[in-house]
Amino acid sequence: EIVMTQSPATLSVSPGERATLSCRASQSVSYNLAWYQQKPGQAPRLLIYGASTRATGIPARVSGSGSGTEFTLTISSLQSEDFAVYYCQQYNKWPQVTFGGGTKVEIK
Amino acid sequence: EVQLVQSGAEVKKPGATVKISCKVSGYTFTDYYMHWVKQAPGKGLEWMGLVDPADGEAIYAEKFQGRVTITADTARDIAYMELSSLRSEDTAVYYCATGPLKSNYAENCLDPWGQGTLVTVSS
Repeated sequence: EIVMTQSPATLSVSPGERATLSCRASQSVSYNLAWYQQKPGQAPRLLIYGASTRATGIPARVSGSGSGTEFTLTISSLQSEDFAVYYCQQYNKWPQVTFGGGTKVEIK
Repeated sequence: EVQLVQSGAEVKKPGATVKISCKVSGYTFTDYYMHWVKQAPGKGLEWMGLVDPADGEAIYAEKFQGRVTITADTARDIAYMELSSLRSEDTAVYYCATGPLKSNYAENCLDPWGQGTLVTVSS
């Protein structure tokens, strides 16, 4: 099983600042990597797929990069609605998917 | 508008079985795979398996193999997840989520998700 490791576990950021979240795979997943946002009491929402393609309706301040085993989610200027937990997910080997443990982005 | 509406919260005793439903609207049910995901209280996301609604073929995560059954009713556009031999560790929110288009299954993301169903296992 491919293990996904996210860091940091918690990220404290002030509104308007940049947030950079990391996700590492235990083996190469090529570009088969997605990011999700989850707010308290809500279901996760797809943000990024294919490592860098924004899902429908996702603002341009959210971007993804990376390939192979190292990936990054960047939110360029944090808004109040961006404080949430973020998960990465690999889907390199059909149909198995695995998720990272999550990064909580909190207000500094 | 695509919507996945799940059945309501359940309270079950250890050893019992729970069956959760996920009603789909807004797209052709048989064109997309359907995933199920577990989220224990305060924990992360754990993939349980998926189903091809068109032929009912399901594939399960090794951890849940033998205890989970995922099915689909194409007449009513509803997917089901049944979990048996419940124990306290099964207390969690369970989500259904639309998987990839069957003709392009390589992009195996989950979008959108149902609202979640809380299952509480307690004696």
